[in-house]
This record gives sequence, C-alpha cells and structure tokens, in this order.
Amino acid sequence: AQTVTQSQPEMSVQEAETVTLSCTYDTSENNYYLFWYKQPPSRQMILVIRQEAYKQQNATENRFSVNFQKAAKSFSLKISDSQLGDTAMYFCASPRGTSYGKLTFGQGTILTVHP
Amino acid sequence: DTAVSQTPKYLVTQMGNDKSIKCEQNLGHDTMYWYKQDSKKFLKIMFSYNNKELIINETVPNRFSPKSPDKAHLNLHINSLELGDSAVYFCASSQKAGQQYFGPGTRLTVT
Repeated sequence: AQTVTQSQPEMSVQEAETVTLSCTYDTSENNYYLFWYKQPPSRQMILVIRQEAYKQQNATENRFSVNFQKAAKSFSLKISDSQLGDTAMYFCASPRGTSYGKLTFGQGTILTVHP
Repeated sequence: DTAVSQTPKYLVTQMGNDKSIKCEQNLGHDTMYWYKQDSKKFLKIMFSYNNKELIINETVPNRFSPKSPDKAHLNLHINSLELGDSAVYFCASSQKAGQQYFGPGTRLTVT
C-alpha cells in the first residue's frame, strides 16, 4: 500500500523561530510531484509548496522550503521566521499511481505558533 | 474570482434524507475530485473525473453517486444519509497530475 506518514501529530514554535515538519512517503512513480498543503481554522486547503521529484534542487517559496531526499523518500517542510498566521494543520501529499493526480495525504501535523 | 466553488458550505439534515453538493471550477482543468475529511481531519479521496469520465472510485458506499455534466462541474449526490456521513466534503480540480486546487468545503451534519 502506498502511504504517507507524518510522524508529528502536533508541533509548536515561538514567533520568528524556525520549525521543521517531517514527512515520509512511498510511491512507485518515477516522475511525480510532492505537495505540502496548509489548512487554517477557516478549513480552506491552501498549497504551501510543491516539489518536482526529478529536480534535485529543493523548492523554496519565501519563508517555506523543503528538504527533499528522493532515495530516502523524505520530504520535510521548513518554516522560517514563523508567524502567527502560520498556525494551521499541515498535510503532506504524494501521488498514488496514474497520471491523473491521485494523491494520498498524510495524517496532518497541527502547528501552533506562539507569540 | 473564485477558482473552485462549492454549494452549500453548510448542510444539516436528518438521517435517511437525500442531499446533493455542487462543485464548479473556472480554471479550465480537466480533472475534478471529491474528498472526505473526517472528524480526525483525515483526508481521503472518494472520486475523480477526467473530462467527464470517472477514473477513480475508491471504496465508497453506492449511496454516494458523483455526476459530471461537463468538465467544469462535478456534483455529489448522497442517498439515505447516515450519521457516519457527517464530515467535511471537499471538491478539487487539477490539470492532470499537477497542483490540486480545493474548494472551501461543505460541512455535512447528519442528525
């Protein structure tokens, strides 16, 4: 079975500090995307960052970056200079076969940023 | 402009009723999805349509029936609602295996 594992159910960080959320996945695809989504209390699912597996360079979006280790099937999210608005549930997602975007989501990590 | 919209956002109904949730996307995507998010926030795919054709049908009770009148719309009809159907239902769309854009979700409460 193809799975995505987020081993940290909850994390907390002080404002302005850095936090890393971990994710491991299992896919049989060769070329694929990996995603981190954020779900704030408003429940809207918002894309944070995506990584193309064939690119060795780690993706970066402003304060968000990933540490992508393809051989280890690891895809962690680093949030720098944490802000109160980063408080949310974070989901890692990886593909489950086919080219039609079938994704498996991890269990989620609740991140709380404290002032 | 809203990229992916769902109606209604909240739905409260009694057991045994039949209800529908509508979804529309204006992104020109070929593929649309329905996800269910349970009380523990676990997000699981239910169905996927590509150009009006059903391509993913997870293990979902046949009381759930998706319908795609065109590639911009994907509706979800639920018959004989049960307490366990209470959840948040998300519609999403993508262009093939790219980023999925999610709607705001529909919170369904069955009493």
